[in-house]
Amino acid sequence: DGGITQSPKYLFRKEGQNVTLSCEQNLNHDAMYWYRQDPGQGLRLIYYSQIVNDFQKGDIAEGYSVSREKKESFPLTVTSAQKNPTAFYLCASSPPRQAAGLFFGEGSRLTVL
Amino acid sequence: AQRVTQPEKLLSVFKGAPVELKCNYSYSGSPELFWYVQYSRQRLQLLLRHISRESIKGFTADLNKGETSFHLKKPFAQEEDSAMYYCALGASGSARQLTFGSGTQLTVLP
Repeated sequence: DGGITQSPKYLFRKEGQNVTLSCEQNLNHDAMYWYRQDPGQGLRLIYYSQIVNDFQKGDIAEGYSVSREKKESFPLTVTSAQKNPTAFYLCASSPPRQAAGLFFGEGSRLTVL
Repeated sequence: AQRVTQPEKLLSVFKGAPVELKCNYSYSGSPELFWYVQYSRQRLQLLLRHISRESIKGFTADLNKGETSFHLKKPFAQEEDSAMYYCALGASGSARQLTFGSGTQLTVLP
């Protein structure tokens, strides 16, 4: 079953703890992305990666970190430096043709207590 | 800078009525525009893209460069169209990251 898998679906953490969200894809896409979805604000780009071992900051990268050691995997770490980490996080990937659009995972909801 | 504006957070129409979800963009280059839809308890998915000039589930969207708009239209709304709709802008020739609008929650009433 091809697609993008995000885990965990729900995550609770205490303030000050780092959290890593997993994103795996078996679509053989080169590009992968992390978005944050907040009510009334739409999706905002955190980080993206066009190829293995390379990634770029998006619009709201502060307090987040990523790695891209494998084509299939693009984990996102929400660090304690992120001031408002409670949010819904979406991972996406895309094939080379931009017109094909993005393929999204089901998302991970992080709540910091 | 790229910007996408969806002026309506909420939109309600009756079944069988026409529906138009507004999207305006700001971009100095040649834009690539998309509509994404998120049905309840489903993942965000591509609905249509301006470059394909297609009609998906009865929806169409025309790029109007003069008005910098990409409104989504359907002549007869169905209850199953109820969902969150996002307009998105991609810069031509760039990496494939998209700028999204804030979304419009469409409710089709019976």
